[in-house]
Amino acid sequence: DIQLTQSPSTLSASVGDRVTIACRASQSVDTWLAWYQQKPGKAPKVLIYKASTLETGVPSRFSGSGSGTEFTLTISSLQPDDFATYYCQQYNGFSATFGQGTRLDVK
Amino acid sequence: QLQLQESGPGLVKPSETLSLTCTVSGDSIRGNSHYWAWIRQPPGKGPEWIGSIYNNGNTFYNPSLRSRVTLFVDTSKNQFSLTVTSVTVADTALYYCARHTYRGGYLDWFDPWGPGTLVTVSS
Repeated sequence: DIQLTQSPSTLSASVGDRVTIACRASQSVDTWLAWYQQKPGKAPKVLIYKASTLETGVPSRFSGSGSGTEFTLTISSLQPDDFATYYCQQYNGFSATFGQGTRLDVK
Repeated sequence: QLQLQESGPGLVKPSETLSLTCTVSGDSIRGNSHYWAWIRQPPGKGPEWIGSIYNNGNTFYNPSLRSRVTLFVDTSKNQFSLTVTSVTVADTALYYCARHTYRGGYLDWFDPWGPGTLVTVSS
């Protein structure tokens, strides 16, 4: 099983900040990685797939990078709507695993 | 617009079987080239993929749950279902159904998701 470890678990930031969330895989997943945003009481919503491809309709302030075992999600200028929990998910082969999540809250 | 909706009992007793159904609207399971998935999320934790099924009944399961999980698909009703046997309190979670994108012969990301249904295992 491929394990995903996200860091930090919690991140406090302010509107306008640039924030970065990391996701490390226990073995290489090439670029088969997606990022999701989840707000309280809602299902996760995909933001990025194939490590760096922005889903249609997702603001361009979100970006993803990385390959192999190290990945990052960056929000270039934090907006009020971005305070949420973020998850990475690998899809290497015929299985899927998620990270434990990073909660982004207001400083 | 593709939408998914989970349904089923919200309370299950320990050692019994959990059964949920996902109804798909806005597209046809039969005519769709993607898989259909179940994912659960225990309170305060990250999501866990349970398994995925194609319109012909082909399935992939999370190895850690495989022995207790079965997925079914009913294309005539545009639904797919999940059963989990011998449940324990550890199976208490928000259960989601989702489309599991399938491109180039591989399973990819999940989009969209249903709103989820809470299942509590308790006597």
